[in-house]
Amino acid sequence: GQQLNQSPQSMFIQEGEDVSMNCTSSSIFNTWLWYKQDPGEGPVLLIALYKAGELTSNGRLTAQFGITRKDSFLNISASIPSDVGIYFCAGQNATSGTYKYIFGTGTRLKVLA
Amino acid sequence: GAVVSQHPSRVICKSGTSVKIECRSLDFQATTMFWYRQFPKQSLMLMATSNEGSKATYEQGVEKDKFLINHASLTLSTLTVTSAHPEDSSFYICSASLGNTIYFGEGSWLTVV
Repeated sequence: GQQLNQSPQSMFIQEGEDVSMNCTSSSIFNTWLWYKQDPGEGPVLLIALYKAGELTSNGRLTAQFGITRKDSFLNISASIPSDVGIYFCAGQNATSGTYKYIFGTGTRLKVLA
Repeated sequence: GAVVSQHPSRVICKSGTSVKIECRSLDFQATTMFWYRQFPKQSLMLMATSNEGSKATYEQGVEKDKFLINHASLTLSTLTVTSAHPEDSSFYICSASLGNTIYFGEGSWLTVV
């Protein structure tokens, strides 16, 4: 199925560092969602974005809905060991006429204490 | 709120048998649910969109006769893997739509021996 381009694919960072990842699409989206998935579990919703230009925070996490509606960014500040996991973006295509979401390829984050 | 539960979390079945996985929205009604398959270290691949009271919409390449989906109520969708083979072994995840946001179940590990 169709997937979004998510980068970077993986990151190894030191505890306390900030992290940034993004997703880009060739299509316009009307909703962007960011999830974190721990091994062997289902993804957990972190942040939902519904308007172009929207900037939303959830604790140390901040995400933005790109003004072109074709990209989104997720930043994690002052990373801690429990931030380890796979982060996925998901976008709802505005022209698809359905509620179907397309998922990014994922960013694997490892935090070194 | 917005809790989605899957059952069973793990199942082992013999090759040639069928196995059913349930997805329930516990505290909201979901007219649309989604079923995904995830291979190790890969993103979620949408298999089908389950619509309450109507037939599921399958993604290209997904065999609808093999992966039977039933969405009989606003809180329950089921995925039945028929005549399972070892190559069907995977992590299956469901999600339920609430407004423009989707919430995931915990996932179900299927092992076909």
